[in-house]
Amino acid sequence: EAQVTQNPRYLITVTGKKLTVTCSQNMNHEYMSWYRQDPGLGLRQIYYSMNVEVTDKGDVPEGYKVSRKEKRNFPLILESPSPNQTSLYFCASGGYSNQPQHFGDGTRLSIL
Amino acid sequence: DQQVKQNSPSLSVQEGRISILNCDYTNSMFDYFLWYKKYPAEGPTFLISISSIKDKNEDGRFTVFLNKSAKHLSLHIVPSQPGDSAVYFCAARKTGANNLFFGTGTRLTVIP
Repeated sequence: EAQVTQNPRYLITVTGKKLTVTCSQNMNHEYMSWYRQDPGLGLRQIYYSMNVEVTDKGDVPEGYKVSRKEKRNFPLILESPSPNQTSLYFCASGGYSNQPQHFGDGTRLSIL
Repeated sequence: DQQVKQNSPSLSVQEGRISILNCDYTNSMFDYFLWYKKYPAEGPTFLISISSIKDKNEDGRFTVFLNKSAKHLSLHIVPSQPGDSAVYFCAARKTGANNLFFGTGTRLTVIP
């Protein structure tokens, strides 16, 4: 079964404590991306990756890092989280050349 | 600046009737449009798409219409079913790019 798996699904943490949200896909897709969803703003892209070791900024990259050491994994890193990064985060896979993207089930982060 | 807009945050429709969800965009470089459906606690799932070379695409009960001159697209669901109750996002992609620009979503409630 085609899957995009994110972990954790929920996390409450404090300002400044580094955290990583993992994302893994089993569809051998080259293209992966991260979005955040906020009320009244829809989904906004944070970072994307065209392939292993190839990453680039999306629309709202400030405060985030990513890495793509393997094709299947695309972790999102918050080095020093702040309350304005409290949001619902989605990892997506695929979507190259007019193919639809497949989304994970989301990670709800609360930064206190 | 929201390049893809869904001006109706919510819509209620009687079961069996037609649901029409609307989406407007501002960037004339967008050439591929998608609709996603999202249930609570799940990620968005792809529903239907349309390329800018077409003005209509149909898949079962779902039809998407594109009016390029008006920069407007709509999703028609006929007949509506209670299981269609969800949040619907439209998304758009520019020529040669992979990242998607999402609208803010419309919550559809189909009343049995």
